[in-house]
Amino acid sequence: EAQVTQNPRYLITVTGKKLTVTCSQNMNHEYMSWYRQDPGLGLRQIYYSMNVEVTDKGDVPEGYKVSRKEKRNFPLILESPSPNQTSLYFCASSLWAAGNSYEQYFGPGTRLTVT
Amino acid sequence: RKEVEQDPGPFNVPEGATVAFNCTYSNSASQSFFWYRQDCRKEPKLLMSVYSSGNEDGRFTAQLNRASQYISLLIRDSKLSDSATYLCVVLASNSGYALNFGKGTSLLVTP
Repeated sequence: EAQVTQNPRYLITVTGKKLTVTCSQNMNHEYMSWYRQDPGLGLRQIYYSMNVEVTDKGDVPEGYKVSRKEKRNFPLILESPSPNQTSLYFCASSLWAAGNSYEQYFGPGTRLTVT
Repeated sequence: RKEVEQDPGPFNVPEGATVAFNCTYSNSASQSFFWYRQDCRKEPKLLMSVYSSGNEDGRFTAQLNRASQYISLLIRDSKLSDSATYLCVVLASNSGYALNFGKGTSLLVTP
């Protein structure tokens, strides 16, 4: 089954404790990205990657890191989480060709609370 | 990057009604356009891509006006199951290839 998986689905942590949210897709997609969704602000792109070892900042990259060492995986790293990073996070992937992105397939989301 | 703006909503309509959502984008280099649907606390899912000539999928019609930088979604014969948040999404290529999402418009279809 074609899918995007994220882990963990729920996480409560404390300020400053490094964490990683994993994202994996089995569709051989080139384009992967991370979003956060907050009430009243909608979905905002954090980072995206157009292929292995190619990443770029989205709208709200501060406080986050990513890496793309393999095509299928795109982990999101919070080196020192803060309460303002409490949010619902989505990973997504899509085909990428000729400068166009196609249907984004989203993971189920990770609800992160930083106290 | 420029913003994508949508009707604020919420839209409350009776079953069977026709409802239209609008979306404007301010980056003239935008090249791909989509409507996504998001149910409460779930991941967004593609409803339809938007093509220059306009396109239709059953009760749903999407239109693109590049000159006015405007996208629309028309839903005919609304069903209770259409209740969701509808997200306008734009890909612009002049500052990387980041995707811009509108904040979404909430639709509630009532019996």
